[in-house]
Amino acid sequence: DAKTTQPPSMDCAEGRAANLPCNHSTISGNEYVYWYRQIHSQGPQYIIHGLKNNETNEMASLIITEDRKSSTLILPHATLRDTAVYYCIVRGTTDKLIFGTGTRLQVFP
Amino acid sequence: NAGVTQTPKFRVLKTGQSMTLLCAQDMNHEYMYWYRQDPGMGLRLIHYSVGEGTTAKGEVPDGYNVSRLKKQNFLLGLESAAPSQTSVYFCASLGLPGRTQYFGPGTRLLVL
Repeated sequence: DAKTTQPPSMDCAEGRAANLPCNHSTISGNEYVYWYRQIHSQGPQYIIHGLKNNETNEMASLIITEDRKSSTLILPHATLRDTAVYYCIVRGTTDKLIFGTGTRLQVFP
Repeated sequence: NAGVTQTPKFRVLKTGQSMTLLCAQDMNHEYMYWYRQDPGMGLRLIHYSVGEGTTAKGEVPDGYNVSRLKKQNFLLGLESAAPSQTSVYFCASLGLPGRTQYFGPGTRLLVL
């Protein structure tokens, strides 16, 4: 299963776009990229996922590079409620979901 | 449609006691997972199941056992609880690759 690398923390001003990077250089062709977030001690919340193409839903956009070795989660207009730990995960063929340490996003007023 | 539910929400055990955590999902998902999360840490995979009657070890399986006798339920057992097993336990379920996955609200376990 591919491993992911994320910066440990990021700051973002409220109302601005938050761009969270993820490196997954060992990803293979049939592996999906998933993003979750965890607010306080709640269960992780699904945000978005993708395989090759860029994806957008009501929460965020996911930009995957052409070589698929990295991706960026974009929260277009961050709010204080978006303060959380964001996890980038590659779902491998063994069906294990292995979480990394994630990025702690702090949105400030 | 309740999604993923976990029972109990909170439990205190004494060292050496046993208990079973229940995870239930009503989405007909094939795959189910048990994670633990220690304070300030990410989630670590304990065991998982790719279908009824199957189980497999994750990253930190020692001290735990699991069973998936029914598709909708995934049980996590602690035969002899230790203080090192104090943690928050999360269950997750998902369907086919590319589908949305869901997590339960967590079970907070304190072992004294």
